[in-house]
Amino acid sequence: EDKVVQSPLSLVVHEGDTVTLNCSYEVTNFRSLLWYKQEKKAPTFLFMLTSSGIEKKSGRLSSILDKKELFSILNITATQTGDSAVYLCAVGRDGGSQGNLIFGKGTKLSVKP
Amino acid sequence: NAGVTQTPKFQVLKTGQSMTLQCAQDMNHEYMSWYRQDPGMGLRLIHYSVGAGITDQGEVPNGYNVSRSTTEDFPLRLLSAAPSQTSVYFCATGGRGNQPQHFGDGTRLSIL
Repeated sequence: EDKVVQSPLSLVVHEGDTVTLNCSYEVTNFRSLLWYKQEKKAPTFLFMLTSSGIEKKSGRLSSILDKKELFSILNITATQTGDSAVYLCAVGRDGGSQGNLIFGKGTKLSVKP
Repeated sequence: NAGVTQTPKFQVLKTGQSMTLQCAQDMNHEYMSWYRQDPGMGLRLIHYSVGAGITDQGEVPNGYNVSRSTTEDFPLRLLSAAPSQTSVYFCATGGRGNQPQHFGDGTRLSIL
């Protein structure tokens, strides 16, 4: 059975800290790995990774995929209170549909001032 | 969330009632999906569609029906609501090729 596991499930840090969120997966027909940020409403897209070892970066956030070891990390440097959210990892599967995503349970990040 | 519109935002139903959650998109995306999100469970795929006239089941399809008569709309029907279907429902869409999905703001559904 396909699964995506995120760790830790929750994390409390102080502003300015650097955090690393983990996502491991066991999925047949892997196509892509995606990171989303969810605050109060809809998950918002952060990154999509398809190739090993290529870092994707957006401001203070970065992510990398290891397809051999089947995991990805999401790094946030110099955290701010606005980074407080649930971070979701999802894996897209082949089989003809981009709509076929399996999600982890999320990591709840709380950034204290 | 621009481009993906879900209605209603909130709904309370009684056990056994039926209803339809609406999802509409104006981005001409081929792919549309429905997820439910429960505390501690993450998002789980209910049904998805790769284009008008084509639908398929996800992880938790029981108790739900979908249809895709147009590219823009992908309604989710609860045939006979049960308390276990109390959840937040998200619709998502994605373009052709390996593109990320984008989510609507969700419908919070409570079944008494």
